[in-house]
Amino acid sequence: AQSVTQLDSHVSVSEGTPVLLRCNYSSSYSPSLFWYVQHPNKGLQLLLKYTSAATLVKGINGFEAEFKKSETSFHLTKPSAHMSDAAEYFCVVSPNYGGATNKLIFGTGTLLAVQP
Amino acid sequence: DSGVTQTPKHLITATGQRVTLRCSPRSGDLSVYWYQQSLDQGLQFLIQYYNGEERAKGNILERFSAQQFPDLHSELNLSSLELGDSALYFCASSALGGENIQYFGAGTRLSVL
Repeated sequence: AQSVTQLDSHVSVSEGTPVLLRCNYSSSYSPSLFWYVQHPNKGLQLLLKYTSAATLVKGINGFEAEFKKSETSFHLTKPSAHMSDAAEYFCVVSPNYGGATNKLIFGTGTLLAVQP
Repeated sequence: DSGVTQTPKHLITATGQRVTLRCSPRSGDLSVYWYQQSLDQGLQFLIQYYNGEERAKGNILERFSAQQFPDLHSELNLSSLELGDSALYFCASSALGGENIQYFGAGTRLSVL
């Protein structure tokens, strides 16, 4: 079975300081991993995806994530937080069954607050 | 703008009623997915259609059903509504292929009173 665990339900940082949102995954297959962001009263926007091409993945708005198979982790980072980064972030796994499209399994989300 | 359109944005109804949520996928996408986001269950996959055929099923109640039409738009039907069905319902679409990047609509917020 596939699952993701987001280790923090809330993270608060000051503007201009680094962001670290932690995610561990469990998958029987070589998974695809994603981070999505949800701003208040908005839909879900894809930040970045890992699909085994490179372990360090760069996304939009300065975010990046590193896939570490030995630690089964896919933590999301950003060097310097901006007020507009305040949102809920979801770590997501999708099992790969021969490349076919498939459902997304969402973590419980991490609410990021950015203090001025 | 993801290119996925969901209507209506908000729906308020009473227990026992039936509602239909509509989704238009991105141009060219053959797969449509439905997800439910609630406070107690989080974001859960409900069902996937691919080119008119049901492809995968998740935690979808028997009171709920979906279909995808020849023009590729999809509808999610919720019947015998209960208070606990109040949630945000998202539709997503993706193209054929292995990357499985799903693009989400803005969602329909359902309130059952």
